[in-house]
Parts: sequence; structure tokens; C-alpha cells
Amino acid sequence: QKEVEQDPGPLSVPEGAIVSLNCTYSNSAFQYFMWYRQYSRKGPELLMYTYSSGNKEDGRFTAQVDKSSKYISLFIRDSQPSDSATYLCAMSGSGAGGTSYGKLTFGQGTILTVHP
Amino acid sequence: NAGVTQTPKFRILKIGQSMTLQCTQDMNHNYMYWYRQDPGMGLKLIYYSVGAGITDKGEVPNGYNVSRSTTEDFPLRLELAAPSQTSVYFCASTRPRGTGELFFGEGSRLTVL
Repeated sequence: QKEVEQDPGPLSVPEGAIVSLNCTYSNSAFQYFMWYRQYSRKGPELLMYTYSSGNKEDGRFTAQVDKSSKYISLFIRDSQPSDSATYLCAMSGSGAGGTSYGKLTFGQGTILTVHP
Repeated sequence: NAGVTQTPKFRILKIGQSMTLQCTQDMNHNYMYWYRQDPGMGLKLIYYSVGAGITDKGEVPNGYNVSRSTTEDFPLRLELAAPSQTSVYFCASTRPRGTGELFFGEGSRLTVL
């Protein structure tokens, strides 16, 4: 069983749709949860960062973490063609100074296409 | 601002050849990492470094070596290339007292035939 499971999709939605991306994980030591966005032929870039359980909102993006269920989600409202990319969930057990700091465990990535 | 720069962007190797992937960052980050990305597999950590002169293995270090002589540079060496090393390699860096956000380069696409 992989430590982090993410549905690879691909996911295709019309412009304006609400998109839900999800990851499950098995390691209860994970406390830091991130979503990276990766455009084709580019490196991943951080989209959202959440510590422990709860919600975080940034514009059209909302990240949710449910540690009790070992489940994290990313919601994209009013999706745009420019949101077309691969979305990677990532997590770590350590913050600054910790032994796992920066050593992220990634999901497989979900390929999202938003068509006009 | 250049950020993390990787060279080469593309390379084709024959089995048994060796090469070095170069990575340099201009953000004065202490922490640097090498990940590989295979289709449908996410990113896997190969090696990492918490500062000049200090390196350690990640999840998939076999067949690779690294060195860190300066804060800016973190080259990845492939010895005796094998088809299993066909992948996209990403170098990343982060500052020591932050959220752990990784800043990635654009990747180096390596094919071993």
C-alpha cells in the first residue's frame, strides 16, 4: 500500500465548474499538507499549505485536511482553462528543524483539464 | 530572479554511460533536494542536503551520487546509467526556517537507451 494515494484521473471539466481533488494517506505522523500545481514540462509550484487539520482558503482555492480520516482535499471554484495542470498532494511529518523537513511524500498527481 | 536552475533540460544516454545533472540556486537556501518523477508515480526523493558538505540518502538513492561543496550548487551524478533511470529529475530548495515549501527547477528529462 502506498503511503499517499491520489486518483490520477484524468479529470475533464467545463469552465466554471467546481473541482474536487483528493488524497488519502496512511502515515499518521504527517502533519504538514501541501498542494502543488505542475504545468506541462514545468516544475511543481506550491499552491496551498496547511498545518494539521482544518480548512484554508485562498481566492478560488480551498484546502481541507481531516486527520482523523487521513484525507485531504483541494477544491477549485469557478475553474478556468488556466487551471489545467497536474495537481500533486504532498505531505511531511516535520516542520522547520525536523528530520523530515522538506522531505515530502507525494501523491501520484491528478491531471486536470478545464475546457472553455 | 533565476530561482533554481537545472541543466541540461534534455539528455539521451546509452546504457553504462555516466553523467552529471547540474543544479544551482540563487536564493541562499541551505536545504536542497533531488527528486525523480515517473509517470503515474509522483515524485520520489533521491538525495538531499541540509548545507554545504552535508548530504544524505532519500527513498531511492541507488545508482546516484551527490556532492555539496557550496550553498548554491547540488549536482547529481549518475554512474553506469540503466534504463530504470529514465525519468524526469527535479532539483528543489528551501530555506531552513519556513513552511518547508520547495522551490523546484524546471526539470531535466533523461532517457537511457
